[in-house]
Amino acid sequence: GDSVTQMEGPVTLSEEAFLTINCTYTATGYPSLFWYVQYPGEGLQLLLKATKADDKGSNKGFEATYRKETTSFHLEKGSVQVSDSAVYFCALMESAGGTSYGKLTFGQGTILTVHP
Amino acid sequence: NAGVTQTPKFRVLKTGQSMTLLCAQDMNHEYMYWYRQDPGMGLRLIHYSVGEGTTAKGEVPDGYNVSRLKKQNFLLGLESAAPSQTSVYFCASSYPQGVYEQYFGPGTRLTVT
Repeated sequence: GDSVTQMEGPVTLSEEAFLTINCTYTATGYPSLFWYVQYPGEGLQLLLKATKADDKGSNKGFEATYRKETTSFHLEKGSVQVSDSAVYFCALMESAGGTSYGKLTFGQGTILTVHP
Repeated sequence: NAGVTQTPKFRVLKTGQSMTLLCAQDMNHEYMYWYRQDPGMGLRLIHYSVGEGTTAKGEVPDGYNVSRLKKQNFLLGLESAAPSQTSVYFCASSYPQGVYEQYFGPGTRLTVT
């Protein structure tokens, strides 16, 4: 079955440091890929997405590129802020969503803490 | 719009007790989902629904039942709670087109003693 593996955390950075959170996946077909973020005490919210190979998703300074050849979707940000402290989840959705009913397979999550 | 709301926010149960978690969404979404979140395991899908009156099993359905009597509501029931069901439960909804972005509720923290 489908699976998503994220780099082990937690990750602790100083403000303005460069962030990378690795994500690799196993799936049949051509999944869509997502990064969701969970701020303390809240539910998850979509951060960015990519629906086909070589697509780059971006939002709030975060970027991730869908690499089919390496089955990866690594999350990056050039300069993190204290407000970026959260849990980040990589996720995939089978095919185009129609037959999978939008079901997501999540990675285990990576806790990011940014210090001033 | 309130988005996705969940009731209650916190609950403590004794082993063997039953309870129902309520999820409501005001976005007219067709699809709704129940997940549980456990440390180091991400979110795992319990049950989902693709429309009013329909439900289907997800990855970890044992010990849970669901109902979708109205399009805007999705109920998750625990008939006989067990300590292994101690978790944070999230409800989500999505529209069945495009990118299928899921919108999540704030979660319910359940402890079973």
